[in-house]
Amino acid sequence: AQTVTQSQPEMSVQEAETVTLSCTYDTSESDYYLFWYKQPPSRQMILVIRQEAYKQQNATENRFSVNFQKAAKSFSLKISDSQLGDAAMYFCAYRSSTGTASKLTFGTGTRLQVTL
Amino acid sequence: DAGVIQSPRHEVTEMGQEVTLRCKPISGHDYLFWYRQTMMRGLELLIYFNNNVPIDDSGMPEDRFSAKMPNASFSTLKIQPSEPRDSAVYFCASTPWVAGPKPVIPQYFGPGTRLLVL
Repeated sequence: AQTVTQSQPEMSVQEAETVTLSCTYDTSESDYYLFWYKQPPSRQMILVIRQEAYKQQNATENRFSVNFQKAAKSFSLKISDSQLGDAAMYFCAYRSSTGTASKLTFGTGTRLQVTL
Repeated sequence: DAGVIQSPRHEVTEMGQEVTLRCKPISGHDYLFWYRQTMMRGLELLIYFNNNVPIDDSGMPEDRFSAKMPNASFSTLKIQPSEPRDSAVYFCASTPWVAGPKPVIPQYFGPGTRLLVL
């Protein structure tokens, strides 16, 4: 079974600075997908960024980018120019590529605090 | 699109009562997922449907939990009888089937139902 580990329960960053959230995973599959979801205090789960394991190029979405290291099974999220609205829980998630859709396996989350 | 709709947003009930959570997936999405989020166990999949048919219910904790999807636009998760340990946030998510090689298809989540069983 796949597992996802987020070793940083909490992180803090100053506004306009850059922060990196860590995620590692364990799988025997060679093809899969990885996601970062953001959960603000409203509890809504919001997709931040996605990455296909077969792509070597790291995904980027505006201020959000990932560092995907397939051999190391690492998938970190970098937030540049941090904003107060970035404060939230961030969850890393793994999804097998088997079939068109299958369950997401989530990490335990990292709470990001953004300070002035 | 209105996104995934869940109701109620908050539910407070007493132990032993029946609880029904409702979900309307995004129109055209073929897959529907029910997740539960607790402090102890994090986010975990309970069950998911494909074209209204349950595919994997291995995450359903016990017989007190049941889920149905009578049509493509509606699903329910029922707990009967409810217990305090069922207190959690329950999320519904949906995703479409997309043709083509290796599509990366995210799951789109509803706002969740916060359940408190006293």
